[in-house]
Amino acid sequence: DQQVKQNSPSLSVQEGRISILNCDYTNSMFDYFLWYKKYPAEGPTFLISISSIKDKNEDGRFTVFLNKSAKHLSLHIVPSQPGDSAVYFCAATLETASKLTFGTGTRLQVTL
Amino acid sequence: ETGVTQTPRHLVMGMTNKKSLKCEQHLGHNAMYWYKQSAKKPLELMFVYNFKEQTENNSVPSRFSPECPNSSHLFLHLHTLQPEDSALYLCASSQFSDRGGEKLFFGSGTQLSVL
Repeated sequence: DQQVKQNSPSLSVQEGRISILNCDYTNSMFDYFLWYKKYPAEGPTFLISISSIKDKNEDGRFTVFLNKSAKHLSLHIVPSQPGDSAVYFCAATLETASKLTFGTGTRLQVTL
Repeated sequence: ETGVTQTPRHLVMGMTNKKSLKCEQHLGHNAMYWYKQSAKKPLELMFVYNFKEQTENNSVPSRFSPECPNSSHLFLHLHTLQPEDSALYLCASSQFSDRGGEKLFFGSGTQLSVL
């Protein structure tokens, strides 16, 4: 049973526009949610996170929104840049464990 | 450069071979992890080590044998693997293993093909 789901395998967005990547989860016990970015031939790198007690966290061009009642979070990238083209993974953890439970990823392509 | 180095980057092995994957972290972290990424599946946690002690084995078959001689080094010994074990194996580290929201730092992975 997949506890973290990313239902869109791919997304294409024009440079300068907003990219919205979505993630749903089933385990209401998750306390933290993290987004990782992965380029080909590299490991995932941390992008941004949010605690379950918040509904928004912003870091530069990246904002994560959390809707606990819907068990849904989204990552907004504004404005999108070609260098943002990568696979984005949503992940979640419990309060007492650092191990990540990952979604399947969404491949973002930012076109010129 | 994430501070986590994995070798080799690519590995091809037969089902009767024995090989080892190596991971080294230069971040002073206390926890290390092995993850597996198969095609079209989420990254799956395999093992967690905290201060050299294994704290989690996620029902991994015994043909995968981890070893953590110290907090900076992690190995994954492979023997009699099956073709379905072909995947990207990722090592990661974090400061602690028991704190939610901790950033994990990943290596570039070993792409394993079992023939």
